[in-house]
Amino acid sequence: AQSVTQLDSQVPVFEEAPVELRCNYSSSVSVYLFWYVQYPNQGLQLLLKYLSGSTLVKGINGFEAEFNKSQTSFHLRKPSVHISDTAEYFCAVSFGRSSASKIIFGSGTRLSIRP
Amino acid sequence: DGGITQSPKYLFRKEGQNVTLSCEQNLNHDAMYWYRQDPGQGLRLIYYSQIVNDFQKGDIAEGYSVSREKKESFPLTVTSAQKNPTAFYLCASSNRTSVYNEQFFGPGTRLTVL
Repeated sequence: AQSVTQLDSQVPVFEEAPVELRCNYSSSVSVYLFWYVQYPNQGLQLLLKYLSGSTLVKGINGFEAEFNKSQTSFHLRKPSVHISDTAEYFCAVSFGRSSASKIIFGSGTRLSIRP
Repeated sequence: DGGITQSPKYLFRKEGQNVTLSCEQNLNHDAMYWYRQDPGQGLRLIYYSQIVNDFQKGDIAEGYSVSREKKESFPLTVTSAQKNPTAFYLCASSNRTSVYNEQFFGPGTRLTVL
């Protein structure tokens, strides 16, 4: 069965500390991978995506993610967080490589930054 | 500027009333989607439409209805049959011919039942 798991519902970190938000998926087909960010009472904004090529993907706001096919993971990282990074982060996976592919969102990880 | 607009941003409804949430896009996307978001549950798919005059139920379609008369518009009606409609509703669109299925989101509508 196809599924997306974000292991941590909440991650508190201190400002300027590094952070990693975890995302694992289950699939028997090829995938495309996305991370979205949602600020309070707003829609989702694309942070970065993995479509093919280099497994290390860089996105906006200093975030990056690494695709690990053997571990079926796509963890999001930032070396030094800022107060403005406080938001909810969603991992999304598009299963299959056709225009009819299904996309599944993880349940989200709320990142809270402490000064 | 291309994008997706949703209106209203906040909506209050009395029990037993139907309400319609608007979603418009000018990205020339064929596919459009409605999601419901509740705290701690991520996004759940209500309905989606791949082309005009066609739509399919998602995972939680009961108590909702949609129409797709124009490519740019995909309104969602929350009917009185929806027992717990208070939630944040997100509309999204994607390019149907793209195999990536990257979705673009509107700003959302927060519906509260009084």
